[in-house]
Amino acid sequence: GNSVTQMEGPVTLSEEAFLTINCTYTATGYPSLFWYVQYPGEGLQLLLKATKADDKGSNKGFEATYRKETTSFHLEKGSVQVSDSAVYFCALRGGAGGTSYGKLTFGQGTILTVHP
Amino acid sequence: EADIYQTPRYLVIGTGKKITLECSQTMGHDKMYWYQQDPGMELHLIHYSYGVNSTEKGDLSSESTVSRIRTEHFPLTLESARPSHTSQYLCASSGAGGGRFDPSGNTIYFGEGSWLTVV
Repeated sequence: GNSVTQMEGPVTLSEEAFLTINCTYTATGYPSLFWYVQYPGEGLQLLLKATKADDKGSNKGFEATYRKETTSFHLEKGSVQVSDSAVYFCALRGGAGGTSYGKLTFGQGTILTVHP
Repeated sequence: EADIYQTPRYLVIGTGKKITLECSQTMGHDKMYWYQQDPGMELHLIHYSYGVNSTEKGDLSSESTVSRIRTEHFPLTLESARPSHTSQYLCASSGAGGGRFDPSGNTIYFGEGSWLTVV
């Protein structure tokens, strides 16, 4: 079946530092890829997405590029803020031609803490 | 903004009680899901539905049950709660595409979660 692997956390950074959270996946067919963010005490919010190879998703200064050749969807931000402190989940949704069509598979989550 | 709502947000109940977690969405989505978040924050699919009168078990075995009598409503029920059921439960939905919220039908939207504590 499909699987998603995120870099292990927690990740602790100073404000304005560069952020990378690695995400790799295993899937058949043509999956869509997502990053979700969970702020303390809240549910999941969609951060960005990419639906086909070489697509770049971006939102709130975060970016991730769908790399089919390396099966990766790494999340990056050039300058993090304290308000970015949250848990970040990489996710894959099974696409046409593959197993688990339409179902969302999550990575294990990465805790990000940003200090002033 | 996605319109998917969960109630209650927070609940503390005693062992053996019956509890229903409500989930409603106003986007006309045909697909709905329940996820359970474990203490390590991992998310596990416990139930899903592809439409009215369609329900399936997810990847993680759960003692809860679900029903889908109406498109917009996907409640989750625990007949007899136990401390091991203490968790956060997240409801989600996605559409077939073509709607104003998600033309491609690819995105899954989440509610804010229900934090259940069984004592």
